[in-house]
Order: sequence, then C-alpha cells, then structure tokens
Amino acid sequence: DVQMTQSPSYLAASPGESVSISCKASKSISNYLAWYQQKPGEAYKLLIYSGSTLQSGTPSRFSGSGSGTDFTLTIRSLEPEDFGLYYCQQYYEKPLTFGSGTKLEIK
Amino acid sequence: EVQLVESGGGLVQPGRSLKLSCAASGFTFSNYYMAWVRQAPKKGLEWVATISTSGSRTYYPDSVKGRFTISRDNAKSSLYLQMNSLKSEDTATYYCARLGDYGGYSHYFDYWGQGVMVTVSS
Repeated sequence: DVQMTQSPSYLAASPGESVSISCKASKSISNYLAWYQQKPGEAYKLLIYSGSTLQSGTPSRFSGSGSGTDFTLTIRSLEPEDFGLYYCQQYYEKPLTFGSGTKLEIK
Repeated sequence: EVQLVESGGGLVQPGRSLKLSCAASGFTFSNYYMAWVRQAPKKGLEWVATISTSGSRTYYPDSVKGRFTISRDNAKSSLYLQMNSLKSEDTATYYCARLGDYGGYSHYFDYWGQGVMVTVSS
C-alpha cells in the first residue's frame, strides 16, 4: 500500500499569514493527489486534485504543488474561515490512502 | 445542488450485520462512480469501497473485502453498504462520496455526505 505521510499534524497561524502542509508518498504517485478540507459540522470539501488543479469554488489563495512523492498545499493570506482539518489522498493505486491529517487553527 | 445523505447507522453487536444507505440528489446519479469512506473516532480517513456506474465493478481494500458489499440502485439514486461480520474496529463514521472524475478513471471525491455513525460493541 502507498503510505502517505502528512506534516505537520498541527498548525496555528494568524490571518494574513501563509502556511504550507506537506504530504509525502512512500512511492511515486505521479500527480494523483487530492487535498480535502473539513470544518466542524460540515462535509468534507475537495480543494485540489491532480496535485495542483483547483476544484471549482476553491479560493485562489489555495495552491497545490509537487509530483512523484512530495506534495505541498499552500494557503496564502489566511482567512479566518480556513481553520479546520486538511487531508491529502493518493489515487494512483488501490487501496486509496489518505494522510493522517493536519489541524489548522487560526490564532 | 449535490446532496448525499447517509442513513442506517447505529449500535450493533460484533459479528452482526448492518446496511447503510445514501440518498443522492442534485446530479445524474447513474453517471458517476460512488464510494464509501470511513473515519474511526480520533483517527484518519480510510477508503472502504467503490462502485462503477452500472454496479458491475466494485473495489475494496483488504480490511473489508469479503465482509462488506457496496451496491447501488440507479433508479432510486441510492448507494448502499452491506456490512457483515462486523468487528469493533469497524466503529467509525461512514461517508458516502461521489468520485470527481466523470469517467471513473481518477478516484478522488468531489462531494461527500455528512456521514453516519456506526458503533460495533457488545
């Protein structure tokens, strides 16, 4: 199985700052990577797929980069509504696997 | 508006069965692959099953293969998960999700339900 190592597990930042979340795959997954956000009481939301393609409706302050084994989700100029949990997921092969998650808190 | 609403969760004893349902609306259900994903308490996400548009192809991880069965009724825009021989480690919130790729080639999820809790305990 492809192991997805996500870091950090916790992140606190102030509005206006930029943050990055890392996701490393145990083998090359090309660009078959998605990023999700979950806020309390809300459904999971797809932010990015194919490593860097923004899902319709995702604000442009979100960006994804990387290919192969190393990927990064960057949020520029944080907004208060960006708090929540973030997960990466590889879909290069089955079983589909997810990172362990990053909790983003707004200072 | 795409909506996915799960139901059927609850408390069940180890070794027993439970069937989850997901009612879909706001899109042409028969055109999309669908899936179940779960999240154990305080744990990460785990993919559980995927089904093709017609239901002819299904995919499972080893952790549930042979115990869980995913199915769909396109006439009712509904997705199901039959869970047999349940174990305590199956305790989780189960999410219904739609595959984002129209052709089913890329298995990421563009819409998720709110989830339904399943607790396996004696």
